[in-house]
Amino acid sequence: EVQLVESGGGLVQPGGSLRLSCAASGFSFSSYAMHWVRQAPGKGLEYVSTITKDAGATYYGDSVKGRFTISRDSSKNTVYLQMDSLKPDDLAVYYCARAYRPGYVDLPFGYWGQGTLVTVSS
Amino acid sequence: QSVLTQPPSVSAAPGQKVTISCSGSSSNIDNNYVSWYQQFPGTAPKLLIYDNNKRPSGIPDRFSGSKSGTSATLGITGLQTGDEADYYCGSWDSSLSASVFGTGTKVTVL
Repeated sequence: EVQLVESGGGLVQPGGSLRLSCAASGFSFSSYAMHWVRQAPGKGLEYVSTITKDAGATYYGDSVKGRFTISRDSSKNTVYLQMDSLKPDDLAVYYCARAYRPGYVDLPFGYWGQGTLVTVSS
Repeated sequence: QSVLTQPPSVSAAPGQKVTISCSGSSSNIDNNYVSWYQQFPGTAPKLLIYDNNKRPSGIPDRFSGSKSGTSATLGITGLQTGDEADYYCGSWDSSLSASVFGTGTKVTVL
């Protein structure tokens, strides 16, 4: 069974940093691109970032480009999202997701974690 | 802001059909596949339709997808109270080199 478990969310002050983790299990981690998607309270889904299966390429949404960094550790079956220079607008539930098909970097996202809440406030 | 536009809400009586539109552009829907996601309050999204019109295992055939040019449509027939949820379309945007989602549509069963 595919499982994605996010952690690392919490309260951080504006301008601060936070690192999210997503522990994956139940599939061949090194075969799939991984993604982060966020959802502000009462709002829609917003694409955040993608990392290819071999970490050879990364992609970012415009609103986080230059501030967030995605990475992965195949020895730990974990994908990370390093978030720097956080703003109040970054307040959201952050979901980790797995590509539906091995090797593909784009949608669809076939499996999603339960999400972790990031709050940016002084 | 979202690149793909959906109606904020649609509604119909139980047993009826609803359709949800997703409007994009030549850099996304027109030249890339569309997928659809269902999300209940407080839970993660779930893949409903991929590659414009394919259903993952376990998704009933009451859900269907189609695409024409820069627009896509999700159809739900035999509407049930359990279908009340938010629905999002998604596609790859070749200009942005990023995935993009629709604004989301809330389905209400009257």
